[in-house]
Amino acid sequence: EAEVAQSPRYKITEKSQAVAFWCDPISGHATLYWYRQILGQGPELLVQFQDESVVDDSQLPKDRFSAERLKGVDSTLKIQPAELGDSAMYLCASSTYGLYNEQFFGPGTRLTVL
Amino acid sequence: SQQGEEDPQALSIQEGENATMNCSYKTSINNLQWYRQNSGRGLVHLILIRSNEREKHSGRLRVTLDTSKKSSSLLITASRAADTASYFCATDVNNQGGKLIFGQGTELSVKP
Repeated sequence: EAEVAQSPRYKITEKSQAVAFWCDPISGHATLYWYRQILGQGPELLVQFQDESVVDDSQLPKDRFSAERLKGVDSTLKIQPAELGDSAMYLCASSTYGLYNEQFFGPGTRLTVL
Repeated sequence: SQQGEEDPQALSIQEGENATMNCSYKTSINNLQWYRQNSGRGLVHLILIRSNEREKHSGRLRVTLDTSKKSSSLLITASRAADTASYFCATDVNNQGGKLIFGQGTELSVKP
């Protein structure tokens, strides 16, 4: 069964360092999402791509976060510099394009900023 | 911003009992979805109910939707220890391009 792949699964970094997360969606899924989930809360959308274009990045802290999906397939989310408050689970999800679509989630990257 | 509010925040039951979780939301939706998350893992889609549907079943899951009250409930019947997880409702809000807004979740513990 096709799955969304994410790496790394865990990342520990010191504040002010740069970190990057990678996501490979299910083949054929045009829409890709990055979420941040703080412990004990629901996921919050950071950025949504349709193919290679950003369709929603309203909640992305653009001073330190960036995301790209250059060829409309896999995607990278970067934080530079990391802050203590960035410690969270970063989830990637993908879906086909349409009105009634479930999202398929990867296992996530657990980020700890020291 | 979190649109959905779920209650209870935590629920502890015995195996074999039914578990009911509720979700309320604020704005018009295309559909509402329920997801499950095991500790430290990604989310798994459980069921989607469209805005023009009132009830939907999938195995031991029953979801209801009341758009007039902007609320939904998830019922898990004959619960098992393996159902222990966090459950999230997510709303696909009108005119938001498929963006899902998740609630805070209900943490379900099923004791053997």
